[in-house]
Amino acid sequence: KAGVTQTPRYLIKTRGQQVTLSCSPISGHRSVSWYQQTPGQGLQFLFEYFSETQRNKGNFPGRFSGRQFSNSRSEMNVSTLELGDSALYLCASSTGLAGGEQYFGPGTRLTVT
Amino acid sequence: DQQVKQNSPSLSVQEGRISILNCDYTNSMFDYFLWYKKYPAEGPTFLISISSIKDKNEDGRFTVFLNKSAKHLSLHIVPSQPGDSAVYFCAASVSNFGNEKLTFGTGTRLTIIP
Repeated sequence: KAGVTQTPRYLIKTRGQQVTLSCSPISGHRSVSWYQQTPGQGLQFLFEYFSETQRNKGNFPGRFSGRQFSNSRSEMNVSTLELGDSALYLCASSTGLAGGEQYFGPGTRLTVT
Repeated sequence: DQQVKQNSPSLSVQEGRISILNCDYTNSMFDYFLWYKKYPAEGPTFLISISSIKDKNEDGRFTVFLNKSAKHLSLHIVPSQPGDSAVYFCAASVSNFGNEKLTFGTGTRLTIIP
């Protein structure tokens, strides 16, 4: 069974630009969660999508948004990039039915200059 | 407010010995706990989990212990192997339907010395 895939793996953007990251979950998984990992803050929950609906949201500003498609693939968008948005963005998939193990992709390393 | 804490940023253990990684939590609503292992440039890999109805769960060389009264869990790796060198994160959740949010600790870097 293929794992969680994320594209692109690396991205360099300029402050003020916007960026879209993509995540394909494990086949059969309907929940996709997004996390931001930074050296100072560790892994922070951004939001979770289940059956094309945002079901949970973390404490991030509205510049961070996402969506999920009918095939469970998810995208995350960050608008008006700031230097502090430089981080590893991880998505994780799960069945979404009972809360439990999540399986992570390799992440997208975003650098904002 | 850090609800899940890993107070040891790093740990070095001799190959073949026991590695013990610790994690404390403050939110009494957490009822499901997980350990993940992370290598550089990769996403976290699920290792082992435990529900709050248990106090111990074993999977091969990995055992997780949960002390609910102390709000403390630990991961034991026996025997430690060089391939275990990685960053270990503990995570916690409230495992009701509709809640997939994991709250992570800041991680402990484990180094196994050959």
